[in-house]
Amino acid sequence: EPEVTQTPSHQVTQMGQEVILRCVPISNHLYFYWYRQILGQKVEFLVSFYNNEISEKSEIFDDQFSVERPDGSNFTLKIRSTKLEDSAMYFCASSFSPRDPDRVNTEAFFGQGTRLTVV
Amino acid sequence: AQTVTQSQPEMSVQEAETVTLSCTYDTSESNYYLFWYKQPPSRQMILVIRQEAYKQQNATENRFSVNFQKAAKSFSLKISDSQLGDTAMYFCAFMRAGTALIFGKGTTLSVSS
Repeated sequence: EPEVTQTPSHQVTQMGQEVILRCVPISNHLYFYWYRQILGQKVEFLVSFYNNEISEKSEIFDDQFSVERPDGSNFTLKIRSTKLEDSAMYFCASSFSPRDPDRVNTEAFFGQGTRLTVV
Repeated sequence: AQTVTQSQPEMSVQEAETVTLSCTYDTSESNYYLFWYKQPPSRQMILVIRQEAYKQQNATENRFSVNFQKAAKSFSLKISDSQLGDTAMYFCAFMRAGTALIFGKGTTLSVSS
């Protein structure tokens, strides 16, 4: 069964450092997302990406964040200068089409997450 | 803006019993989708069940079923014959067509033997 894969599973970084979280979405999917979950709290939307550009972003996704699809398979989230409050679980997700009324195509498949710890 | 509310931070149930998790949402949209996701201790997000707003029939997936009340903007999840493996955090989520998921704060479900 196809799946979304994320690397690394756990990243520890010093405050102020740049981190890149990597995701390989399901191969025929067109829409890609990043979400984050601060420990014990709800899952929050960061950004969605379609056709090589950001299609939607939340207030959390400020100038320190960026996303990129550098090749045909990877989808990355970069945090330029990490802060303590960036410590969270980061989830990548992908879907074929969020608009399609076909139930299969609207489903967002999540990766297993990257736990980011900023110290 | 759309909001999703889960009013039960924690629930507990005995094995083989039935439990219902509540979810309400607020939207002015008519075309949307609702989901329940399960997050076990591994923290993977697993889709449990989905409901299209245009469908009146409640979705079911094996032991999982929903009670979708569109007028009341309510979307509860019923788990029948609860199993130890159902222990997890459950998130209700809303999605307008073409946009990202909006999650509730979650309900922690504990199933005991």
